[in-house]
Amino acid sequence: NAGVMQNPRHLVRRRGQEARLRCSPMKGHSHVYWYRQLPEEGLKFMVYLQKENIIDESGMPKERFSAEFPKEGPSILRIQQVVRGDSAAYFCASSPPGGYTEAFFGQGTRLTVV
Amino acid sequence: DAKTTQPPSMDCAEGRAANLPCNHSTISGNEYVYWYRQIHSQGPQYIIHGLKNNETNEMASLIITEDRKSSTLILPHATLRDTAVYYCIVRVANTGNQFYFGTGTSLTVIP
Repeated sequence: NAGVMQNPRHLVRRRGQEARLRCSPMKGHSHVYWYRQLPEEGLKFMVYLQKENIIDESGMPKERFSAEFPKEGPSILRIQQVVRGDSAAYFCASSPPGGYTEAFFGQGTRLTVV
Repeated sequence: DAKTTQPPSMDCAEGRAANLPCNHSTISGNEYVYWYRQIHSQGPQYIIHGLKNNETNEMASLIITEDRKSSTLILPHATLRDTAVYYCIVRVANTGNQFYFGTGTSLTVIP
């Protein structure tokens, strides 16, 4: 059973470009969480999604950031018009249905904005 | 909002047991205690979780006090590869609640 797969592992974008980060959850998992970790800082929650629904986006910046988890395919975190401050590691986690289960994390996408 | 308190750093000798404490004095009856760790810049790794009974798996043991206000993660025989930041998280057992990562404990295993 493959783990949570994130791609790309490393992404370099110029200021003003768009960044698309993909997350394929573990088989049977219908819940996806996105976290951001700035250099030398802790993990900050961004958004929680179930298939075709955003459940909690309280940690998502109001502008330029969006997330989706379509019925088919991976979850996508999209950052439009990237700025240097968006440089960070972005981690995705997935969990099965049920509130008392654990979530499993991918290895992250390291975004560098130049 | 942080619901847990952990020491910022700890050292442990290789081969000895590492005991990582966590205070969660405001925990409510339907909140589980989870432990994760992050090695260097890798993705956080799930270790163990529990409600009120002590739990053990191949990685660690979780000891929760009877009043559930604190817990201890025990790595029975620490190795250099256990050097990581360890996070104690309390989470309501309802679908949709995020895992809140505080500042954790930076554990250094010393040869």
